[in-house]
Amino acid sequence: DIVMTQSPLSLPVTPGEPASISCRSSQSLLNSNGFHYLDWYLQKPGQSPQVLIYLASTRASGVPDRFSGSGSGTDFTLKISRVEAEDVGVYYCMQALQIPKTFGQGTKVEI
Amino acid sequence: QVQLQESGPGLVKPSQTLSLTCTVSGGSIAGDSYYWTWIRQPAGIGLEWIGRISASGSTHYNPSLKSRVSISIDTSKNQFSLKVNSVTATDTAVYYCAREVKYPSNWLFDSWGQGTQVTVSS
Repeated sequence: DIVMTQSPLSLPVTPGEPASISCRSSQSLLNSNGFHYLDWYLQKPGQSPQVLIYLASTRASGVPDRFSGSGSGTDFTLKISRVEAEDVGVYYCMQALQIPKTFGQGTKVEI
Repeated sequence: QVQLQESGPGLVKPSQTLSLTCTVSGGSIAGDSYYWTWIRQPAGIGLEWIGRISASGSTHYNPSLKSRVSISIDTSKNQFSLKVNSVTATDTAVYYCAREVKYPSNWLFDSWGQGTQVTVSS
């Protein structure tokens, strides 16, 4: 299985300030089609996860443009340009290259 | 908009079988553009992908659970189901059902159920 490692596991943030979460995979997530199969999900308190970013850098429909994803190979980053109060929750990266799909441990973002 | 709802016992005894059903509303479970997936989340721990099934019955399972897990689908009822045999306390978790939709280059979880807590205890 591909092991996903996130850092930090806890991230205190200040509204209006930027924030960044890192995700590393145990092997490259680059597919032969040129895409990196790395997704980012946010689980808000008491809710189910919701997709933010897929294929490492594509924002899902309805996701604010303050969220951006980048990276390649085994190293990926989720950035929030200006944190808002509604962004609190646990952020997960997930590799979608191989079955079983595997998630990082999660990064808890709190104000 | 499609909605998913998990149902089943919240308490299962050790060594018995955990059975959950996911009912899909607002859309058809049929069609080759979807996979129907089970994911679980033990308390305080991250997410674990259990497995998925297509409308045609094609399945993929997590090897760590494969010997104990079975996923089935009933397109006439717009439902799919999960069975986990020989459960232990480590199977205690919130269980989510989710839909994966086919995009041009990938599959994406675009809809999730609210999750249902299953506790394994005597």
